[in-house]
Amino acid sequence: AQSVTQLDSQVPVFEEAPVELRCNYSSSVSVYLFWYVQYPNQGLQLLLKYLSGSTLVKGINGFEAEFNKSQTSFHLRKPSVHISDTAEYFCAVSSTGTASKLTFGTGTRLQVTL
Amino acid sequence: KAGVTQTPRYLIKTRGQQVTLSCSPISGHRSVSWYQQTPGQGLQFLFEYFSETQRNKGNFPGRFSGRQFSNSRSEMNVSTLELGDSALYLCASSQDLGGGYEQYFGPGTRLTVT
Repeated sequence: AQSVTQLDSQVPVFEEAPVELRCNYSSSVSVYLFWYVQYPNQGLQLLLKYLSGSTLVKGINGFEAEFNKSQTSFHLRKPSVHISDTAEYFCAVSSTGTASKLTFGTGTRLQVTL
Repeated sequence: KAGVTQTPRYLIKTRGQQVTLSCSPISGHRSVSWYQQTPGQGLQFLFEYFSETQRNKGNFPGRFSGRQFSNSRSEMNVSTLELGDSALYLCASSQDLGGGYEQYFGPGTRLTVT
């Protein structure tokens, strides 16, 4: 079984400031890692994913994340946020087996202000 | 290519009734998964279908069921609705089974049980 912990339920940040959203996971098997974003009244959109290879993963909208196996973390970063980045962000894991089941964290609300 | 579509987008039902939600995956995608999103429990996996067969199931009571048709379209059914079933129900499709395949989410069906 897997679990995901997103330590911050809300992260307020000023526009053009850098941001880091934290994600830690627990699993007894190898996992794939994902970050999704959800805008109000919409479904989830994939920002980036780690399957294998380079531990630094670049995604859409200027986001990147680093997989750290020893710390079981997959933190999301952006060097300069925009008002339009205000949304809910979800970290998720799935096993590397045949199942597509995603286990999500509780989400982090990123609030960008001027 | 059209995205994942879910119908209806909004639904209001009364306790004790049953409801059927529909999901049309992206063309060519054979795997469909369902998730429930609530403020209290977050995003929880309901079930996954592939080639008309349920491949994986989450921890939900038997009142929750689903099926997949030969054209990969999927429906989920909730019988004997309870107030706690009020949620956003999200459908996701992917090309194939396996955690490495990206899941594309629909906009969801917002179910309100009164």
